[in-house]
Amino acid sequence: NAGVTQTPKFQVLKTGQSMTLQCAQDMNHNSMYWYRQDPGMGLRLIYYSASEGTTDKGEVPNGYNVSRLNKREFSLRLESAAPSQTSVYFCASRKTGNTYEQYFGPGTRLTVT
Amino acid sequence: LAKTTQPISMDSYEGQEVNITCSHNNIATNDYITWYQQFPSQGPRFIIQGYKTKVTNEVASLFIPADRKSSTLSLPRVSLSDTAVYYCLVDYSSASKIIFGSGTRLSIRP
Repeated sequence: NAGVTQTPKFQVLKTGQSMTLQCAQDMNHNSMYWYRQDPGMGLRLIYYSASEGTTDKGEVPNGYNVSRLNKREFSLRLESAAPSQTSVYFCASRKTGNTYEQYFGPGTRLTVT
Repeated sequence: LAKTTQPISMDSYEGQEVNITCSHNNIATNDYITWYQQFPSQGPRFIIQGYKTKVTNEVASLFIPADRKSSTLSLPRVSLSDTAVYYCLVDYSSASKIIFGSGTRLSIRP
């Protein structure tokens, strides 16, 4: 089991460029999440997907779009990157039911210049 | 949306018991409380979850009073490797929104 994988690990973008962050999990989890973590701060939820085919906004969705491609994959797209989106992005997954344990990926460190 | 509140930092020594308290005043009936540990340059790692009273696993205990407006993570006999940031998270099951607290930076000294 690889758990939750994210690509790329690092990325530098210029303002206005677009890119897609990829996330995949091999644990057959229903729910998946995208967070951002700014330096010295806690995690903030961008978008989540409670199940395949559904997505919903979290605390800070502006400037992002997501796609739940299938049960395994959940991608995050920045259409026009801005310096304020410089952050570390974490993907997570979770089984539904009475367990609230989220499994996190290793993160993508994104810098927008 | 309600937020959680934790102390920004705590210091302790190896072998001591450490208690970190989180305040979540607006917790709803169906919400669960979870705690995570995060090391630098890594994603958070789940420690424990609870709904009420006391939960214990192999690494920690979680105490939740009857009103559930706070919770306390207890780490017994900490070691240097427990130096990390600890996050309290309330999973708002009714609204399906998740709010991480700002985290507590725990430093363990020899």
